[in-house]
Amino acid sequence: EVQLLESGGGLVQPGGSLRLSCAASGFTFSNHAMHWVRQAPGKGLEWVSGSSSGGGATNYADSVKGRFTVSRDNTGNTLYLQMNSLRADDTAVYYCTRRPEGSGRYFDYWGQGILVTVSA
Amino acid sequence: EIVLTQSPGTLSLSPGERATLSCRASQSVSTTYLAWYQQKPGQAPRLLIYAASSRATGIPDRFSGSGSGTDFTLTISRLEPEDFAVYYCQQYGSSPLYSFGQGTKLEIK
Repeated sequence: EVQLLESGGGLVQPGGSLRLSCAASGFTFSNHAMHWVRQAPGKGLEWVSGSSSGGGATNYADSVKGRFTVSRDNTGNTLYLQMNSLRADDTAVYYCTRRPEGSGRYFDYWGQGILVTVSA
Repeated sequence: EIVLTQSPGTLSLSPGERATLSCRASQSVSTTYLAWYQQKPGQAPRLLIYAASSRATGIPDRFSGSGSGTDFTLTISRLEPEDFAVYYCQQYGSSPLYSFGQGTKLEIK
């Protein structure tokens, strides 16, 4: 069974940093690109960042570019999101998602999400 | 930048009725790269449809997707009580790399 379990969320002050982790199990992690998608309270979905299967290629939404860094440990089956210079509008539930193998460009499995609150 | 606009914002229907949800793109989107998700309150989104018309694993056949170019549709042929949720379309291919529509809330009439 595919499982994605996020951790590391919580309350942080504006300008602060936080690192999210996503522990993956039930599939060959190193075969899949992995992404982060977020959802502000009461709002829609926003793609944040993604990592290729090997970690050599990463992409970011303009809203987080230069502040967030995605990385992965294929030995430990974990995806990370380092978030620096956090702002109030980064407050959201952050979902770890899996992209299927091959040419699919969608998210076939989602974690349960972790809340990040940026507030003084 | 491709913008996805979903309509209507809210759709009020009764169980047993047919639901038709629209997703319109500001530029042409490859059918390969158009997906639909369902999200219930307090839950993560769930993949329903990928490549515009292919059902994801375990999705009932009352859900179907269609469309091409800039106009895509999610149809639920006969609504079940568990289908009332928010639905999002999603595209890949242009900055931002992935984007979602703003969602359609399907509520019980």
